[in-house]
Order: sequence, then C-alpha cells, then structure tokens
Amino acid sequence: QSALTQPPSVSGSPGQSVTISCTGTSSDVGSYNRVSWYQQPPGTAPKLMIYEVSNRPSGVPDRFSGSKSGNTASLTISGLQAEDEADYYCSSYTSSSTFDVVFGGGTKLTVL
Amino acid sequence: EVQLVESGGGLIQPGGSLRLSCAASGFTVSSNYMSWVRQAPGKGLEWVSVIYSGGSTYYADSVKGRFTISRDNSKNTLYLQMNSLRAEDTAVYYCASGGSYYPELFYWGQGTLVTVSS
Repeated sequence: QSALTQPPSVSGSPGQSVTISCTGTSSDVGSYNRVSWYQQPPGTAPKLMIYEVSNRPSGVPDRFSGSKSGNTASLTISGLQAEDEADYYCSSYTSSSTFDVVFGGGTKLTVL
Repeated sequence: EVQLVESGGGLIQPGGSLRLSCAASGFTVSSNYMSWVRQAPGKGLEWVSVIYSGGSTYYADSVKGRFTISRDNSKNTLYLQMNSLRAEDTAVYYCASGGSYYPELFYWGQGTLVTVSS
C-alpha cells in the first residue's frame, strides 16, 4: 500500500510554530476524517497526539493542533519546546487498498 | 490504566517461525480493536494486522499468508504467529489498540524486537 507523503524533516526554534503536512489522495485523507498524528521520541513507542483530524486525547497539550484541507492534513505545533523534538507520523483510513489504514513516511522535527 | 506488554521477540533464522504475545491489563482484548504495527530499524511505521472485536482479521499485503493474528480471551492476550520469516520482517513489533476506536491507536506497548538473520 502507498504511504501518505510527509516532508522528511522540519525545524524550528523554541517558542516558534511549525507545521507538518501529510498529503494523501481522494481515497484516504480527502474522503475521511479519520486522520491521526503520532509522536515518537527516539527509542520510545509512538504516542497518539491527534485523532479524527483535530481532536486531542486527554493529556496532550493544546499547543498541538490538527486540520485538513482537501487531500492534505496538517499538524501544527505552537510554542515549540525542546521536548517536542521527535519523529511525527500521520495515518489515515483508506479505501484504496486491501488493508484499510495507511501511515505517512514520518517527519523528523528538530528544535534548534 | 491500560497496559500492553509484548514478549516473544528474538533472533530467528530466515524461514523460521516465531509467536509474539501481547498481555493486556486495564481493558478487555476481546472487546476492542487490537493491532500489530512494526518498525524496521531506522524506518517508519507499518501496520501489520488488526483483529476486530467481532473476530474479523486483516493483514498487510507484505505478511498475508505468513502471519496470523489471534487472541486468547481467557488470558486477555493478543498473539501474532509469524511463519516463513524473511530478513525484511526484521523490526520492532508493537501491540496497539484504539479501544473502541479504529484506526486510531490510543494505547501502545513498549515493543519487541524481531531479528531475522542467519
């Protein structure tokens, strides 16, 4: 199955905002509001940060927000902190393959 | 508190078999969507398999016919039977669940490393 497309890396300074994009197709991101974002610091398991495009699980800071326009979903992190440095992955429900979920390739966020 | 604890990983020769286990506490495996997700060294996440609360199972094309997901309700444990293992199956395997949500994954285990090498 094809992965969703994410930029390999993004960076920002403490206090700034960064946005990570996740581009899919009309068979996944464009048709379903089942987009999730996961944070994975080095050597740890992923953690769900956003689900259903823009909802935050309990305990996730409101500095993290999600949105979607057409076939592209976005994760925005405002007020960057050093602890935000991690890999971020998007995922979406899809109707285009035999398995109904697809991940993005991941984006490494560096806090300068 | 929900906890998922994987076990069963290790070094295995190509063509061999291995069974991973995921012991759950704080919720009931049989009532929720349960998944296996893997991550090859230095690579991204790949969904391997899911079992629905109703018992339906689904697999990624890369493992279909070789891997089998199952659960033991009496032990509240999820399994992944892996046969005909290949070098490209080398990865950390995570047990994960969205509870009643799918495909969101709210809960993750710590992962278990499977290395396929001669």
